[in-house]
Amino acid sequence: EVQLVESGGGLVQPGGSLRLSCAASGFSFSNSWMNWVRQTPGKGLEWVANIDQDGSGKNYVDSVKGRFTISRDNVKNSVYLQMNSLRVEDTAVYYCAARTWIFDLWGRGTLVTVSS
Amino acid sequence: IVLTQSPDSLAVSLGERATINCKSSQSLLSSANNNDYFAWYQQKPGQPPKLLISWASTRESGVPDRFSGSGSGTEFTLTISSLQAEDAAVYYCQQYYSGPITFGHGTRLEIK
Repeated sequence: EVQLVESGGGLVQPGGSLRLSCAASGFSFSNSWMNWVRQTPGKGLEWVANIDQDGSGKNYVDSVKGRFTISRDNVKNSVYLQMNSLRVEDTAVYYCAARTWIFDLWGRGTLVTVSS
Repeated sequence: IVLTQSPDSLAVSLGERATINCKSSQSLLSSANNNDYFAWYQQKPGQPPKLLISWASTRESGVPDRFSGSGSGTEFTLTISSLQAEDAAVYYCQQYYSGPITFGHGTRLEIK
């Protein structure tokens, strides 16, 4: 079955860290760009970061640059999002999504809540 | 690039036509290949977004043909020709012409 499954979300205090994981199956993960997209009730959908097939190319939205790091492991068919210096405004459901720009495969998301 | 959707919400009767618009702050048409770097997604409660249309008018495999995308440059439209109950959802537009990838704020479609 073609699927993406996120994990690692939870409640964290402002300034804290969290590492999200996304496990892929059923498609050629090592040939696919991967993305993280987040969704909040107030701001809607926001693309966060992406990574190319071998992990050498990475891009980030300005609001997370220097705080978040995307990485991948093509042996484990997984993509990760290390989130440091978390802020209240980072609270969202975080989805991983496959492909370069057109996201035709999404996970079900993991909720990150940043609150004291 | 800012995408502005209209309306914010609409209610349409079953079997009627629904039209959602998305306006871009700059052209999404590439002069290199004459393609618009634009997509539409559907999201139902508790589910992730689902890709409906890419390249402004190319329907994804399995998407009913009552869904169609049109437009070019800065103005785009998603049309549902004959609304079904299962089409109640929030619809988002997306541009992938230049980074960062951005989405519209969404249009909530309800059944009247």
